[in-house]
Amino acid sequence: AQRVTQPEKLLSVFKGAPVELKCNYSYSGSPELFWYVQYSRQRLQLLLRHISRESIKGFTADLNKGETSFHLKKPFAQEEDSAMYYCALRSPAYSGAGSYQLTFGKGTKLSVIP
Amino acid sequence: DVKVTQSSRYLVKRTGEKVFLECVQDMDHENMFWYRQDPGLGLRLIYFSYDVKMKEKGDIPEGYSVSREKKERFSLILESASTNQTSMYLCASSSMNTEAFFGQGTRLTVV
Repeated sequence: AQRVTQPEKLLSVFKGAPVELKCNYSYSGSPELFWYVQYSRQRLQLLLRHISRESIKGFTADLNKGETSFHLKKPFAQEEDSAMYYCALRSPAYSGAGSYQLTFGKGTKLSVIP
Repeated sequence: DVKVTQSSRYLVKRTGEKVFLECVQDMDHENMFWYRQDPGLGLRLIYFSYDVKMKEKGDIPEGYSVSREKKERFSLILESASTNQTSMYLCASSSMNTEAFFGQGTRLTVV
């Protein structure tokens, strides 16, 4: 079974400091990984996915299959980055073609101190 | 603008009541999901569906059932609500080529 682990419940950094939100996964197949973000009073939304290899709002994440990690990084934190961040893994379900599960970690609350 | 809409933002129900949470998406997505979101526990998958009338159990299906009679609608049913089902419930939809899009959530309180 797949599993996503985010070891930090809360991460506090000062504005302008680097940020790294950790994510490790357990999955026997080829993983498809995502980072989702939830700002205060807003719905959960995609931040980035590993296959696109793009940078969104200054955040990047690299899939490291050897370490089974997909850590989220940003060189300089901004106050507007304060939010809840979830790492997620998509994997095929056994029920049929086109069926898949989306498994989330427990989330990390990022607090950027002015 | 893509939309996943949950029928209620807030619900208060009594223990033992049958509760229906409705979710509608307008993106013609095949896959739909129900999660509950609790502090410190993240999002836990209750049920998901990849086609009309098809459903699969997630990680915590006990005490819940689902219905998908039409592609755009996925309902979560609490057969007999209990206080430990007080939570925020999130619906999501996606296709194979897209990320998951989430509804605004339903905060259910069972008293």
